[in-house]
Amino acid sequence: NAGVTQTPKFRVLKTGQSMTLLCAQDMNHEYMYWYRQDPGMGLRLIHYSVGEGTTAKGEVPDGYNVSRLKKQNFLLGLESAAPSQTSVYFCASSSRTSGGSYEQYFGPGTRLTVT
Amino acid sequence: EDQVTQSPEALRLQEGESSSLNCSYTVSGLRGLFWYRQDPGKGPEFLFTLYSAGEEKEKERLKATLTKKESFLHITAPKPEDSATYLCAVRGEGFQKLVFGTGTRLLVSP
Repeated sequence: NAGVTQTPKFRVLKTGQSMTLLCAQDMNHEYMYWYRQDPGMGLRLIHYSVGEGTTAKGEVPDGYNVSRLKKQNFLLGLESAAPSQTSVYFCASSSRTSGGSYEQYFGPGTRLTVT
Repeated sequence: EDQVTQSPEALRLQEGESSSLNCSYTVSGLRGLFWYRQDPGKGPEFLFTLYSAGEEKEKERLKATLTKKESFLHITAPKPEDSATYLCAVRGEGFQKLVFGTGTRLLVSP
């Protein structure tokens, strides 16, 4: 049981290039999320999904797109990378427990640098 | 708007020196307060969920408590392996979106 996995682990892009980050979970969770983590700012939600085929905007969605074609995968795309998108990106997933909580389980992160 | 403030930003302890981390929050209809541990270069690791004032949860040397305005993470007789950043997050009404604080960096010296 791998939990939440992310690929790649590291990436360097030039301004204007595009890329896709892949998140996969094997816990059969309904909900998936993409966050970015920047020094002094905490984790901020980019986009999320409540189920296969659905996506929604989070707190900082501009410059990013997402897709959830399969329940276990959640893709984050950068259409035209900018230096302001240099960050560490985390994927998370959650499911409703019998107690009604939605604790999220995180992947190991992708460190992205845009030059 | 939901908000989480953690203090102190950084804390240095000697091994065995107990202390507490603070998480102050404002949220519309608390649906859960979450504590996570994050090691350098890794993703946050879930520790606890608290739902209502007065609730307490324990795990090894850690105990989390909750009031109507704040949560404390008490660390009893810490060891160097407890060194990490501890994150607090809240979930309010509506969708299960979490709002995170910026964390407390804990360093425990032998």
